[in-house]
Amino acid sequence: DIQMTQSPSSLSASVGDRVTITCRASQSISSYLNWYQQKPGKAPKLLIYAASSLQSGVPSRFSGSGSGTDFTLTISSLQPEDFATYYCQQSYSTITFGQGTRLEIK
Amino acid sequence: QVQLVQSGAEVKKPGSSVKVSCKASGGTFSSYAISWVRQAPGQGLEWMGGIIPIFGTANYAQKFQGRVTITADESTSTAYMELSSLRSEDTAVYYCARGGAVDYGDYTAFDYMDVWGKGTTVTVSS
Repeated sequence: DIQMTQSPSSLSASVGDRVTITCRASQSISSYLNWYQQKPGKAPKLLIYAASSLQSGVPSRFSGSGSGTDFTLTISSLQPEDFATYYCQQSYSTITFGQGTRLEIK
Repeated sequence: QVQLVQSGAEVKKPGSSVKVSCKASGGTFSSYAISWVRQAPGQGLEWMGGIIPIFGTANYAQKFQGRVTITADESTSTAYMELSSLRSEDTAVYYCARGGAVDYGDYTAFDYMDVWGKGTTVTVSS
């Protein structure tokens, strides 16, 4: 299976900050990379698909980039509702997820 | 807009089986993929397998091969996930999710998951 490694595992930031989360694949996955947001007790929510395409209804402060093995999720200006856990997921082969990045309020 | 409604919480004994349902309403069911993803307490997300109802063939993650069975009933727009030989480590929230996929005949490539059920808590305890 392809291993997905996110960094950092946790992150403290303030409202208005620009935040970047990184996801690295153990082998090239082209652009078969999706990002999800999960809040406590809730199902995950799709934010970004195909590495850089914004899912309908997701605010434009979220963006994704990368291809091959290295990917980033950027939140341009953190809002209070953005504090959550974020997961990357590859779909190049049998689906695997990163371990998650917990974004907390500083 | 499609919604996925999952069956209620289950408490099971070790060694038994559990079957969770996922009913789609308000949108297309058969031509999308339905995946099953689980999340153990305090842990991350784990893909178990999926199915495209119109084709009917399920694909499973290697870890769950032989222990999980995913099926779909197009007539009721309902997908099912059955997990057998339960152990305490199977205690988790089980989600169904609709998403994209491509069927290649002997293999299905699953992609993003854009609509999720609310999850079903399965507790395995003696």
